[in-house]
Amino acid sequence: KAGVTQTPRYLIKTRGQQVTLSCSPISGHRSVSWYQQTPGQGLQFLFEYFSETQRNKGNFPGRFSGRQFSNSRSEMNVSTLELGDSALYLCASSWGRGQPQHFGDGTRLSIL
Amino acid sequence: SQQGEEDPQALSIQEGENATMNCSYKTSINNLQWYRQNSGRGLVHLILIRSNEREKHSGRLRVTLDTSKKSSSLLITASRAADTASYFCATDPQFDYGGSQGNLIFGKGTKLSVKP
Repeated sequence: KAGVTQTPRYLIKTRGQQVTLSCSPISGHRSVSWYQQTPGQGLQFLFEYFSETQRNKGNFPGRFSGRQFSNSRSEMNVSTLELGDSALYLCASSWGRGQPQHFGDGTRLSIL
Repeated sequence: SQQGEEDPQALSIQEGENATMNCSYKTSINNLQWYRQNSGRGLVHLILIRSNEREKHSGRLRVTLDTSKKSSSLLITASRAADTASYFCATDPQFDYGGSQGNLIFGKGTKLSVKP
């Protein structure tokens, strides 16, 4: 069974630009969550989606947004990029709340 | 904000030795999970222990949970060089009515180095 796929693996952007990251969950999983990982703050929760609805959101500014499609694939968007947005962005899918989450290898975003 | 706090931050052992990592957390939880992360990769789920469980085993892994002390430990027995990685505990926080809030809260991790 294929795992969680995140594209692209690496991305370099400049301040002020916007970026869209993509996540394809494990087949059958309808829950998708996004996390940001940085050396300073560690792993922080961004969003949780289930059946195209955002059910929970972490403490991030409105520049961070996301959505989920009917096939459970998810995208997250960051607008007006700042240097501090440089991070590894991880997507995870699961059968639902309270279940183990299965992570992709992430998208490494670097802001110049 | 981080809820879980792992201890120690780094651990270096020889192959064949046991490795113990501890995790403390602050609020009521639905379950607690342990994950492993190899450098530059995503997280791999290791084991999930529910709030009404006290101990769980999976292969060479043993996890304990003490909800009265809000702490957990992960024991890896007979460690191998391939166990070298960062290990994270993650809590699944609980609403007042008992349901899962749907987001995992991670600690900063323990970096384990197993020397051959």
